[in-house]
Amino acid sequence: QVHLQESGPGLVRPSETLSLTCSVSGYSITDGYYWGWIRQPPGKGLEWIAAAYHTGNSYFNPSLQSRATISVDTSNNQFSLTLRSVTAADTALYYCARLVAVTGSIDTWGQGPLVTVSS
Amino acid sequence: DIQMTQSPSTLSASVGDTVTITCRASENIRRWLAWYKQKPGKAPNLLITKASTLEAGVSSRFTGSGFGTEFTLTISSLQPDDFATYFCQQYDSYSPMWIFGQGTKVEVK
Repeated sequence: QVHLQESGPGLVRPSETLSLTCSVSGYSITDGYYWGWIRQPPGKGLEWIAAAYHTGNSYFNPSLQSRATISVDTSNNQFSLTLRSVTAADTALYYCARLVAVTGSIDTWGQGPLVTVSS
Repeated sequence: DIQMTQSPSTLSASVGDTVTITCRASENIRRWLAWYKQKPGKAPNLLITKASTLEAGVSSRFTGSGFGTEFTLTISSLQPDDFATYFCQQYDSYSPMWIFGQGTKVEVK
């Protein structure tokens, strides 16, 4: 069974860069699917951030495209998100996930750690 | 970009009730719609794909329907575990992009 686990700092200073890594177990990321990130400000709705294929093709929410980068590390079976120039509005639960193109859905989610942007 | 409008934002109901949540797309998305259930402190859980296909292990009390711009999620015979927040999500296969509705909280009346 596929399992996703996020790792990274829980506190980031304003104007700095948020970096998160998602480790995938139980499935090889080179065997297909998109791998991506979704965030949720506390008590609010879900926002898709970015997705990537293991070949390196990547896709972004237009509202975050200028600040976000997604990369895939096939040798370690993990993928990462960086978000530059963060503000308090970027405080959220950050979920890594497996995205299924055939159905257009998201079938596996990580735990979604809280990342707080604060000085 | 395609916009998703989900309603109502909150729905009050009792155990045993049948409830319906609506999701409207700003343009034709054919059947590219999924539904999720989220409990407090947990990640969302996929219920339905392609507007009406139930995920394995999901109760048949959940029914999805619709095509094009209007979609519904119906929960029949509401059970205590069904009190949660539900999200619709649209997939734009051309970009690609994943776009969520605002969510509907189903609460105890």
